[in-house]
Amino acid sequence: ETGVTQSPTHLIKTRGQQVTLRCSSQSGHNTVSWYQQALGQGPQFIFQYYREEENGRGNFPPRFSGLQFPNYSSELNVNALELDDSALYLCASSPSGGETDTEAFFGQGTRLTVV
Amino acid sequence: AQSVTQPDIHITVSEGASLELRCNYSYGATPYLFWYVQSPGQGLQLLLKYFSGDTLVQGIKGFEAEFKRSQSSFNLRKPSVHWSDAAEYFCAVVTLFGNEKLTFGTGTRLTIIP
Repeated sequence: ETGVTQSPTHLIKTRGQQVTLRCSSQSGHNTVSWYQQALGQGPQFIFQYYREEENGRGNFPPRFSGLQFPNYSSELNVNALELDDSALYLCASSPSGGETDTEAFFGQGTRLTVV
Repeated sequence: AQSVTQPDIHITVSEGASLELRCNYSYGATPYLFWYVQSPGQGLQLLLKYFSGDTLVQGIKGFEAEFKRSQSSFNLRKPSVHWSDAAEYFCAVVTLFGNEKLTFGTGTRLTIIP
């Protein structure tokens, strides 16, 4: 049990719609990262939040946005959904930002299907 | 830019046999290396990590990995696999921008046969 929880577990949306995915970080963790894992691929870094501020972004368009709340939980929002956005979205929390000598704990993911 | 290569897309081994999964990285500085396992439809579980020190690291579930700087490799090994080891295995490296941005390989799917 990692303590990182994501909701919902599965989601089906129509192309062009908007979606919000949620992540509760493990107790004591102030850094949350989001990853997209397409079928048959490794996870790709979307962005990271540290103490409510974006702290790095991968190669994803602006329609992928996020938030982190004072309790360090986080949301991933995707606007104007495309078929290629269908993937497993993983949230990972870690004890600190700004240091690499830590480890990320992953949630079980949200499976998003865009039709 | 850093990258991680897992040359084997799919490996099949017999239960009780030894296992080695390959991982090569491309990175200019000292890497921070990880192996994760993912069961079908699940998230990622950390098996082991290398930050510094002893180049042979022990992990959970009987796995170990050896960091070889000269070969830019971080191969995962297990002396005797169990049917429950069937899963997808990902090697990853952390980018050194002061935070934990993981760059993953494309994974190796492990099948265990009786």
